[in-house]
Amino acid sequence: DAMVIQNPRYQVTQFGKPVTLSCSQTLNHNVMYWYQQKSSQAPKLLFHYYDKDFNNEADTPDNFQSRRPNTSFCFLDIRSPGLGDAAMYLCATSRGGRNEQFFGPGTRLTVL
Amino acid sequence: GENVEQHPSTLSVQEGDSAVIKCTYSDSASNYFPWYKQELGKGPQLIIDIRSNVGEKKDQRIAVTLNKTAKHFSLHITETQPEDSAVYFCAASTNDMRFGAGTRLTVKP
Repeated sequence: DAMVIQNPRYQVTQFGKPVTLSCSQTLNHNVMYWYQQKSSQAPKLLFHYYDKDFNNEADTPDNFQSRRPNTSFCFLDIRSPGLGDAAMYLCATSRGGRNEQFFGPGTRLTVL
Repeated sequence: GENVEQHPSTLSVQEGDSAVIKCTYSDSASNYFPWYKQELGKGPQLIIDIRSNVGEKKDQRIAVTLNKTAKHFSLHITETQPEDSAVYFCAASTNDMRFGAGTRLTVKP
């Protein structure tokens, strides 16, 4: 089945230790998104790739970076995680903008 | 930018009753309005969506209505079942999608 896959599902890191979260998709969608979702809150868009074009949200901290080496894969790098970065990180894909977004199951990040 | 408000934040209904969740948006350029259901520990899943050229859309027990003039849209779930219990998010999309704060729906057997 076509899907959005996120690895790992759970990630524990130490304060200040870089961490990378992975997302892959078999839908062949040209747009990929990263969201941060804290407990009992709505998903907050961090950035997205429209094809190879990177689009950063104005309020996304510099601590968060992303890479998209090919259509299928997208990575979220957190350079120096703080306690406030503990959250669920959701990857989503869509065919073009203004269309249905397909979400992965998320990676729950814990920062010790 | 787009601002989406969602009400209520929590909703508890008896099995078999109807549930209604309402959202308002601010950007008149928004033209795509999805509703997502998120179960505990999972990513959001689309349950229904509507575009601005349509006023109402129905899929079995779920319906969505859109009033572009008033900039609000609503989700209606009829004959609710315990498995409908989840957090529901509305969203409005121009170039980016903005989510409402979510509604935690509990359906009591």
